Amino acid sequence: NAGVTQTPKFRVLKTGQSMTLLCAQDMNHEYMYWYRQDPGMGLRLIHYSVGEGTTAKGEVPDGYNVSRLKKQNFLLGLESAAPSQTSVYFCASSYSEPAGTPDTQYFGPGTRLTVL
Amino acid sequence: DAKTTQPPSMDCAEGRAANLPCNHSTISGNEYVYWYRQIHSQGPQYIIHGLKNNETNEMASLIITEDRKSSTLILPHATLRDTAVYYCIVRVETGGFKTIFGAGTRLFVKA
Repeated sequence: NAGVTQTPKFRVLKTGQSMTLLCAQDMNHEYMYWYRQDPGMGLRLIHYSVGEGTTAKGEVPDGYNVSRLKKQNFLLGLESAAPSQTSVYFCASSYSEPAGTPDTQYFGPGTRLTVL
Repeated sequence: DAKTTQPPSMDCAEGRAANLPCNHSTISGNEYVYWYRQIHSQGPQYIIHGLKNNETNEMASLIITEDRKSSTLILPHATLRDTAVYYCIVRVETGGFKTIFGAGTRLFVKA
């Protein structure tokens, strides 16, 4: 199993440009997440999905959109990039189990995005 | 979800046990204690979790106090590759979307 993979690994954008980050998992997980991590800080949740066709806002959703058309993929879009969105973006996935069983998140390697 | 308090940094000699403390005095009865670590520039990695009892796996041991207000992650024989930021997280059983990553403890393992 490849686990959680992210594409691309690095990207440089100019202010106002758009792009899509792709996250893929091969563990048949129900839940998927997008986080951002700024230098010296912990991870902050942007958006998440609890199943195919569903998405929800996390702690810092402004300026981002997401889609979960297939169970194994979770896309993060930046419609008009801003320098404040310069960060490292991590995708994660986890399984949902019957109530009483805690789920464990598995993370991808990250995408390093710079917006000039 | 409960907040956690961790020391910002710790040192440990290679080959010795690393004991990382975490305070979670407002933890609720249905909240688990999770530990993750993040090696430089990589995605966080799950280590261990527990509810009430002490837990052990191939990576570490988790000791939770009887009143559940604090816990300790133990790496029994730290190596240089264990140098990382360690995050202590408390949250309810399901829903990774409730995982809140704080600043964590930066562990330096020295030769």
